[in-house]
Amino acid sequence: DGGITQSPKYLFRKEGQNVTLSCEQNLNHDAMYWYRQDPGQGLRLIYYSQIVNDFQKGDIAEGYSVSREKKESFPLTVTSAQKNPTAFYLCASSEVWAATETQYFGPGTRLLVL
Amino acid sequence: QKEVEQNSGPLSVPEGAIASLNCTYSDRGSQSFFWYRQYSGKSPELIMFIYSNGDKEDGRFTAQLNKASQYVSLLIRDSQPSDSATYLCAAFRSNFNKFYFGSGTKLNVKP
Repeated sequence: DGGITQSPKYLFRKEGQNVTLSCEQNLNHDAMYWYRQDPGQGLRLIYYSQIVNDFQKGDIAEGYSVSREKKESFPLTVTSAQKNPTAFYLCASSEVWAATETQYFGPGTRLLVL
Repeated sequence: QKEVEQNSGPLSVPEGAIASLNCTYSDRGSQSFFWYRQYSGKSPELIMFIYSNGDKEDGRFTAQLNKASQYVSLLIRDSQPSDSATYLCAAFRSNFNKFYFGSGTKLNVKP
């Protein structure tokens, strides 16, 4: 059963704490993405990766970090430098370098600040 | 200027009517375009994509692309209350391998 999994579904962060959101895919996709969605807003790109051990900043990378040590995995760390982290975080994946790429999404992680 | 623009709505249509959702994009280098449906609290799910000028039909859904006008639309025929959701338009540019999303149009289909 191919797809993208994200965990946890809900995550609570205390002040000054770093938290890590998990994203795993078994679609054999090269590219993976992290988006942030605020209530009533569209998707804003945080980071993306087109290949293992390489990633690029998106539009709102400050306060976030990622790693891509395996093709299947692209974890996102929300650091204490991110002052307003409450949002819905979406991981996505796609193939690379074709004009008709399609992006598929995981179920999302909702991050709340205590 | 945002790369992809959508009217936030809400767009209200009666059950059985045609819902028309529109999207414009600013980057002429965009090559393919996507429509996603997002229910409240859920992740976006792909409805269809289009990359050639003209119409593409899939069941009750028709996507329309006009590259000269930089305009993409989604028609939903025989709208059902279960179609009530936010619809996200996205544009893809392969040389950047990035997807640009609009902020979505909220559709309400009234029984």
